[in-house]
Amino acid sequence: GNSVTQMEGPVTLSEEAFLTINCTYTATGYPSLFWYVQYPGEGLQLLLKATKADDKGSNKGFEATYRKETTSFHLEKGSVQVSDSAVYFCALRDSTGGFKTIFGAGTRLFVKA
Amino acid sequence: NAGVTQTPKFRVLKTGQSMTLLCAQDMNHEYMYWYRQDPGMGLRLIHYSVGEGTTAKGEVPDGYNVSRLKKQNFLLGLESAAPSQTSVYFCASSYGGGVLETQYFGPGTRLLVL
Repeated sequence: GNSVTQMEGPVTLSEEAFLTINCTYTATGYPSLFWYVQYPGEGLQLLLKATKADDKGSNKGFEATYRKETTSFHLEKGSVQVSDSAVYFCALRDSTGGFKTIFGAGTRLFVKA
Repeated sequence: NAGVTQTPKFRVLKTGQSMTLLCAQDMNHEYMYWYRQDPGMGLRLIHYSVGEGTTAKGEVPDGYNVSRLKKQNFLLGLESAAPSQTSVYFCASSYGGGVLETQYFGPGTRLLVL
């Protein structure tokens, strides 16, 4: 079945450091891939998405490229801020999965000033 | 535009008690979902609905029931709460069910079952 695997957290960085959160997936069809972010005390909100191989999603300085050959969708940001502290979820949506969204376990990011 | 709202925000139940969680969306979305979020496990789908009057089971439906009598509302019921149902519950909605769809989430309901 479909699945998403994320690197375990927490990830702790200093402000302006480079961020990478790894995400790999298993899917039987042609999935769309998503990164959602959850700020403390809030629900998840879409950060970025990519719908086909080699697409790059980007938003708020975050980027992720859909790599079919390595089944990966790693999240990157060149210079993190304290306000980026949150939990980040990688997810996929695949027609063979009945249009359900499969979420990874989440990676908590702490950014220190 | 309120988006997705959930009621209540927090609740404490005793084992065996019942309760209903309410989700409301004002975006005219067809699809609605209930998830539970547990530490280290991400979000797991409990039930979902593809339109008014329809519901379907998700990944972890046991112990829960749902109803979608109005398009904008999706109710999650616990008939006899158990400590294993202690969790944070999120409602979400989407316009359609396609692979490109973005889900919009409510702020969550934190439930503690003693």
